Amino acid sequence: DAKTTQPTSMDCAEGRAANLPCNHSTISGNEYVYWYRQIHSQGPQYIIHGLKNNETNEMASLIITEDRKSSTLILPHATLRDTAVYYCIASYTGTASKLTFGTGTRLQVTL
Amino acid sequence: DAGVIQSPRHEVTEMGQEVTLRCKPISGHDYLFWYRQTMMRGLELLIYFNNNVPIDDSGMPEDRFSAKMPNASFSTLKIQPSEPRDSAVYFCASSLARGKLFFGSGTQLSVL
Repeated sequence: DAKTTQPTSMDCAEGRAANLPCNHSTISGNEYVYWYRQIHSQGPQYIIHGLKNNETNEMASLIITEDRKSSTLILPHATLRDTAVYYCIASYTGTASKLTFGTGTRLQVTL
Repeated sequence: DAGVIQSPRHEVTEMGQEVTLRCKPISGHDYLFWYRQTMMRGLELLIYFNNNVPIDDSGMPEDRFSAKMPNASFSTLKIQPSEPRDSAVYFCASSLARGKLFFGSGTQLSVL
C-alpha cells in the first residue's frame, strides 16, 4: 500500500464544510483511495472510495487530483456527530480487501 | 441485517488465562478480518480469511494468538496464555465488495 500523509488534527465549525486533505504521492495506478472514520469507542466506518474520478455519496465527496497524488474528503455541512478520526488509505485490493490504517486526522466539529 | 456482531463487549481476565473472542460476520460476506487497536500502535490487521480460509496471518503477534473460522457465520480469536500487553480493543470486520469493510463494535480486552 502506498504511504498516506494526513494532518494530525483539524477543527471545523458546525454547518461549515470540512475539507480533509490526504497526500499519497507514491500511489500506483491500480491503487484506490479509501476513507474511513472512527467515532470514539466505535469500530471504523466506511465513508467513500475512488480510483481517479471524483465521487459523491450521501455521506461525503471525494476529490482526487488529476495526478492522483493527493485527495480531499469533503463533508459538506459538518455536524457535531462528524467529530471523529478520519483515515485515508491508499490500497490495491483487487478481489481482496486488506487495508492498512494509519494515524488519521482527528476532526473536531465545534459550535 | 444486524451488522457484524462481536462478543463479549468487554473482557477482563488475569494474566495466563485463555481468552476467546467471537465474531459473527454479515451474512453473505466472504472476507473476515481481525484487527487490534491500541493507543501506541493504532489499528493493526492481525489476520484475514476468505471463504473461511486464512489468507494472511502475518500480523498475528506470536504463537499465543490463533484464529479460526469453522464456517461462514462464525470466527474466533483465541489468546492463550494472555498477557497484560494483549490489552486492547479487538475488532472484527467483514467484507464483500472491494475495500468496503464493515466493522463490529469491538471487544475491549483487559488483561491484569
